[in-house]
Amino acid sequence: NAGVTQTPKFQVLKTGQSMTLQCAQDMNHEYMSWYRQDPGMGLRLIHYSVGAGITDQGEVPNGYNVSRSTTEDFPLRLLSAAPSQTSVYFCASSPGWSYEQYFGPGTRLTVT
Amino acid sequence: GEDVEQSLFLSVREGDSSVINCTYTDSSSTYLYWYKQEPGAGLQLLTYIFSNMDMKQDQRLTVLLNKKDKHLSLRIADTQTGDSAIYFCAERINNNNDMRFGAGTRLTVKP
Repeated sequence: NAGVTQTPKFQVLKTGQSMTLQCAQDMNHEYMSWYRQDPGMGLRLIHYSVGAGITDQGEVPNGYNVSRSTTEDFPLRLLSAAPSQTSVYFCASSPGWSYEQYFGPGTRLTVT
Repeated sequence: GEDVEQSLFLSVREGDSSVINCTYTDSSSTYLYWYKQEPGAGLQLLTYIFSNMDMKQDQRLTVLLNKKDKHLSLRIADTQTGDSAIYFCAERINNNNDMRFGAGTRLTVKP
């Protein structure tokens, strides 16, 4: 199993550009989540999904969209990038809400 | 308070014990976790404790939970240079998929 994979590893955007961060898992996990990690702060939940076709907002959803058309994939879309979205983004998956989350390696995004 | 709180830095000598402390927010949290993050990598689950337990031991790791004070600690015995990393405390908010993370404690192990 590859586990949780994320692409790209690094990305630089200009303010106003849009892009999609990709996340995929091959463990048949129902739950998937997106977090952002900022210096001096813990991970903050952006959006999550409890199964294909079901998504919900986390703590900091503004400026981000998600969809879950398959169990495997959970892309995160930035509609119009802002410098405040400069961060490291982690995708995670788990078999259920009370189970261990498996994290991807992260995507480091810089918005200039 | 609203935040999961941890001290940001801890420095120990190789062979000593390390104790990383955390206070969490929700007395009804059912699971509490310790994650380790090495440079440039994602978070890796080290251990977790269910809220009806006071202590859990796993090889060099000991987790202590004080529900009354909402205090969680991670003790690493015989700390090695390979233990140098950032350690995150996290709580699973009951009946919710939300997990709240602390800001992380950067552990530095000096030879």
